[in-house]
Amino acid sequence: GQSLEQPSEVTAVEGAIVQINCTYQTSGFYGLSWYQQHDGGAPTFLSYNGLDGLEETGRFSSFLSRSDSYGYLLLQELQMKDSASYFCAVRGAGTALIFGKGTTLSVSS
Amino acid sequence: DAGVIQSPRHEVTEMGQEVTLRCKPISGHNSLFWYRQTMMRGLELLIYFNNNVPIDDSGMPEDRFSAKMPNASFSTLKIQPSEPRDSAVYFCASSPTGHYGYTFGSGTRLTVV
Repeated sequence: GQSLEQPSEVTAVEGAIVQINCTYQTSGFYGLSWYQQHDGGAPTFLSYNGLDGLEETGRFSSFLSRSDSYGYLLLQELQMKDSASYFCAVRGAGTALIFGKGTTLSVSS
Repeated sequence: DAGVIQSPRHEVTEMGQEVTLRCKPISGHNSLFWYRQTMMRGLELLIYFNNNVPIDDSGMPEDRFSAKMPNASFSTLKIQPSEPRDSAVYFCASSPTGHYGYTFGSGTRLTVV
């Protein structure tokens, strides 16, 4: 089966940089994804890492190390609107995405 | 595209009643997923379909839950009979087959009293 671990909460101030870590266990590995969910909203896709290394999309970057079964989401130049829950997710063989429990990010001014 | 469309947005029902949640995936997306979200258990995969065929229903909690996809543009998740512990937000999502980015609907908030 699959399991993922990520911190439950992270706090930061506007303009700062925050890193949300994710470790995973899965039988078969087809990449690590990140999703954002605002309160009362739906999860929205942020990024995907299929190979080791860093992927950058604007203020957000995501990193993967398959040998360590580890990845992170890096958010730079934090804004109040970045306050949300962030989920890492993996897809194993023959199944759909399995999500971590989520990390609640609170950005203060 | 209107995105993934779910109905109803909110449903309040009494214990023992049948509940049917509906989903219209994005046109051209061959994979459809049903997830349930609660504070305690997070986002749980219930079932997913590929080309209208159920591929993995191991997340369906009990026989009270059933899902169908009669065609490429419509899916239902049915709970019969409903129980208070079924209260949650139910999300439908779709994607092209094998794609890593899912598009989620707005969800159905189900409350069973």
